[in-house]
Amino acid sequence: GQQVMQIPQYQHVQEGEDFTTYCNSSTTLSNIQWYKQRPGGHPVFLIQLVKSGEVKKQKRLTFQFGEAKKNSSLHITATQTTDVGTYFCAGKRETSGSRLTFGEGTQLTVNP
Amino acid sequence: DTEVTQTPKHLVMGMTNKKSLKCEQHMGHRAMYWYKQKAKKPPELMFVYSYEKLSINESVPSRFSPECPNSSLLNLHLHALQPEDSALYLCASSQPTSGLAKNIQYFGAGTRLSVL
Repeated sequence: GQQVMQIPQYQHVQEGEDFTTYCNSSTTLSNIQWYKQRPGGHPVFLIQLVKSGEVKKQKRLTFQFGEAKKNSSLHITATQTTDVGTYFCAGKRETSGSRLTFGEGTQLTVNP
Repeated sequence: DTEVTQTPKHLVMGMTNKKSLKCEQHMGHRAMYWYKQKAKKPPELMFVYSYEKLSINESVPSRFSPECPNSSLLNLHLHALQPEDSALYLCASSQPTSGLAKNIQYFGAGTRLSVL
């Protein structure tokens, strides 16, 4: 079945450092989404990427979708303590109906 | 308003109990989902309802029984659960119509379930 690998599993940074998490799918995706889950919270939708090579920015967050639509990344510039949480990518194939396949997540901690 | 409301927030039940989890959304979404999430793991899909009909059951044990009484409500009936069923149960909703918006899932805050 479809798999979405996400690395790293954990990342500890000092406040002000950059952070990147990567997702790689075993199959071509129709789109990929990113969610953030704060400790004790629930997944919150961040962004959806659809086009090959697409790059989207949200303030300090930059999201990329690979040319082959099989990989994606989330980069945070100058992390802040409010960035703490687990970041999940979730991929969707054309033939998967409503299913999203979640990556394992990257848990980010930021030391002030 | 992108709110999905889940009740109760916390639930402790014995293995012989019967309980229900409830989920409500008023965004006009016609697809609703149940997920199970263990600590430090991603959400794991259990069921999908589309237009109030069960469209996906990910081989979930029959001690979990979903119900969609109308387009705004989704229930998960629990009976004879096992301690390993303890987890965060998340409800989500999305638009099943055409267009890119259909893929975006909005999650509720979840019910934290403990089975003793």
